[in-house]
Amino acid sequence: KAGVTQTPRYLIKTRGQQVTLSCSPISGHRSVSWYQQTPGQGLQFLFEYFSETQRNKGNFPGRFSGRQFSNSRSEMNVSTLELGDSALYLCASRGPGTGELFFGEGSRLTVL
Amino acid sequence: QKEVEQNSGPLSVPEGAIASLNCTYSDRGSQSFFWYRQYSGKSPELIMSIYSNGDKEDGRFTAQLNKASQYVSLLIRDSQPSDSATYLCAANNNAGNMLTFGGGTRLMVKP
Repeated sequence: KAGVTQTPRYLIKTRGQQVTLSCSPISGHRSVSWYQQTPGQGLQFLFEYFSETQRNKGNFPGRFSGRQFSNSRSEMNVSTLELGDSALYLCASRGPGTGELFFGEGSRLTVL
Repeated sequence: QKEVEQNSGPLSVPEGAIASLNCTYSDRGSQSFFWYRQYSGKSPELIMSIYSNGDKEDGRFTAQLNKASQYVSLLIRDSQPSDSATYLCAANNNAGNMLTFGGGTRLMVKP
């Protein structure tokens, strides 16, 4: 069974640009969560989607947004990038009836 | 603010010893708890989940949960150098749709 797939794995942007990250969950998983990981703040929750609906949102500015498609694939977008947005962005999927999250390899974003 | 707290370490243990990792959480509504292992430059990997008070064993790993004390721990028996990593503790929220992670404990197993 394929795991969670995230693309792109690495990307470099400049301040003010926007970025879109993609995530394909494990087959059969309908819940997708996004996390930001930085050395200083650790793993912080961005949002969670289930059946194309955002069910929960973390404490991030509106520049961070996401969506989920009918096939459970998810995208997150960060607009007007700031230097502080440099981080590892992790997507995780959750199977039915379980709280266990399975993470993808992440998208490492560097903002210059 | 619901929090999960861990000692950042590093926790250094000799090869073959038992490594004990601890975690406390503030949300009494949390029902599910998880331990993840993260190697440097990699993503977190789920190693244990625990939902009820007591111990849960899986190979060399034992998770312990005490909801009254709001305390979760992970024991690693016969520690190996390959166990050297950061261990993240996580707790679920009431709705079950968000995990809050601790800052992680860095474990170093010396040969």
